[in-house]
Amino acid sequence: EVQLVESGGSLVQPGGSLKLSCVASGFTFSNYWMDWVRQTPGKSLEWIGEINTDGSKTNYAPSIKDRFTISRDNAKSTLYLQMSNVKSDDTAIYYCTGGVVTHWGQGVMVTVSS
Amino acid sequence: DVVMTQTPPSLSVAIGQSVSISCKSSQSLVYSDGKTYLHWLLQSPGRSPKRLIYQVSNLGSGVPDRFSGTGSQKDFTLKISRVEAEDLGVYYCAQTTHFPTFGSGTKLEIK
Repeated sequence: EVQLVESGGSLVQPGGSLKLSCVASGFTFSNYWMDWVRQTPGKSLEWIGEINTDGSKTNYAPSIKDRFTISRDNAKSTLYLQMSNVKSDDTAIYYCTGGVVTHWGQGVMVTVSS
Repeated sequence: DVVMTQTPPSLSVAIGQSVSISCKSSQSLVYSDGKTYLHWLLQSPGRSPKRLIYQVSNLGSGVPDRFSGTGSQKDFTLKISRVEAEDLGVYYCAQTTHFPTFGSGTKLEIK
């Protein structure tokens, strides 16, 4: 059974930093492009970015504007999202996904507030 | 950005009825490889989204054949035949032909 388990969500102040993790199991992690998608309260879904299978290439949504960094450790089957200079608009549930929409984690809540 | 417009925003349907949800994109979703990367997701209450259909009409693993997808280029439809109670939730279309974007969702309620 495919499982993606996110962790690291919390309350963070505007301008602060946070790192999310996602541990994968049940499939060959190193064969998948991996993504982060977020869902703001009561609203739709927004793709944040992706990373290729060996971690050498990343793509991001224009709205992220160099504040977030996606990385991975295939030896640990783990995906990361480093969030910097966070804003109130970044308050959302963050999902780790495989193949953008193929596999989804349970999500982790990030709240940006002073 | 490719804008995905879903209609209607909400539906109320009795068990056993059929429903259709429309999704229109602002650009063609045909990729250079000839494939169309339009997908349908269901987010059941309190759960994360789950893929139902990929590449317009292919059922995801374990998805009942009451669900079907059709369409091409910029115009797509999800049909649910013989709605069951477990089908309630929010349905999203998503495209991954260009950088990924999602529709605003259609909330399905059971009468």
